[in-house]
Amino acid sequence: GAVVSQHPSRVICKSGTSVKIECRSLDFQATTMFWYRQFPKKSLMLMATSNEGSKATYEQGVEKDKFLINHASLTLSTLTVTSAHPEDSSFYICSARDPGLAGGTDTQYFGPGTRLTVL
Amino acid sequence: KQEVTQIPAALSVPEGENLVLNCSFTDSAIYNLQWFRQDPGKGLTSLLLIQSSQREQTSGRLNASLDKSSGRSTLYIAASQPGDSATYLCAPADSSYKLIFGSGTRLLVRP
Repeated sequence: GAVVSQHPSRVICKSGTSVKIECRSLDFQATTMFWYRQFPKKSLMLMATSNEGSKATYEQGVEKDKFLINHASLTLSTLTVTSAHPEDSSFYICSARDPGLAGGTDTQYFGPGTRLTVL
Repeated sequence: KQEVTQIPAALSVPEGENLVLNCSFTDSAIYNLQWFRQDPGKGLTSLLLIQSSQREQTSGRLNASLDKSSGRSTLYIAASQPGDSATYLCAPADSSYKLIFGSGTRLLVRP
């Protein structure tokens, strides 16, 4: 199946710093990528939809100035957690939509996740 | 607003048993529905995807059914193995491809 990578896999930072997380679709072009957040022993919560070449669409309650999303190419979306604080510590997972243009099925593929710890 | 419920929340069974995991959703206007597996501290692995027009999908020992009108999907695992131990997540997608996740079923298959 298709592969989505995330970098870094784990990051520890001091409070007040900004952290950038990359999400890449390695073998397909993804016009749409999604960013999720997962707290320990909880399910995934959709944060925003990232469309290539346009502004991200944020879910209700997600601060767009806090979580900056850029989707500059068909294979890369980035999430920047600005001025991170301990409450931002979480597992961040991205997904990329493969529309199935090559004959496959329209589906989403998920990255392995990034664990952010803010001290 | 779509709400997804998964029952049971946790399940512990001896190896070899056949299992049924249940998922219900409140908005039947879905584009498709996916079942995922998540191992502790890891990302998601897609298991099965059912289009809204389909009734079921099968992959190996896994079979997923979909009854869109009643807002239900089930994941059937045949002849369970310890390697099946993980959290199983159900996620219907709307027309904008957004996935809304249930809280998951934590499965433990005992040797």
